[in-house]
Amino acid sequence: EAGVVQSPRYKIIEKKQPVAFWCNPISGHNTLYWYLQNLGQGPELLIRYENEEAVDDSQLPKDRFSAERLKGVDSTLKIQPAELGDSAVYLCASATSGDEQFFGPGTRLTVL
Amino acid sequence: GENVEQHPSTLSVQEGDSAVIKCTYSDSASNYFPWYKQELGKRPQLIIDIRSNVGEKKDQRIAVTLNKTAKHFSLHITETQPEDSAVYFCAAKASGTYKYIFGTGTRLKVLA
Repeated sequence: EAGVVQSPRYKIIEKKQPVAFWCNPISGHNTLYWYLQNLGQGPELLIRYENEEAVDDSQLPKDRFSAERLKGVDSTLKIQPAELGDSAVYLCASATSGDEQFFGPGTRLTVL
Repeated sequence: GENVEQHPSTLSVQEGDSAVIKCTYSDSASNYFPWYKQELGKRPQLIIDIRSNVGEKKDQRIAVTLNKTAKHFSLHITETQPEDSAVYFCAAKASGTYKYIFGTGTRLKVLA
């Protein structure tokens, strides 16, 4: 079974530029998470989807971040415009109705 | 709000010794407690988990204990090996929710 897939793995951009990250969850997983992980810290939830519905986006900075999961499968997280402080690893995870969630490899974003 | 405190932030042990990492959670509704291992540049991977209806769970050299009254749970690694070196995260999740609260991580170094 393929795991959670994320792309790109690494991204370097200049501040004020837009950037987008893509996630393909494990097949059949209805729940999809986007997390932000700063160096030396635990993952922090940005947004959670149940199928195509964003059910928890309270931690998403909506002035510059947006996300979508149009068909309830893969998802895109966008930042526009990026700021220096957005440099971090962006993790995607998916889950079924059980407790366990599975993480993707993450996208390491560097904003210069 | 809900939070999970994790200690210590760094831990160095000699190969063959035991390592213990402790977490304390605040939400009394939490009933699922996973532990993740994250090697440098890689995805967090579930290594063991425990639910609130048990007090201890063991898997070879790894064990987790849970004290619901004190809201503590701990990861125990025995006979540590250099390949155990990584960052370990605890998390807590409440029943009926899909929200995971992560600890801040423990960087474990096993010295050969």
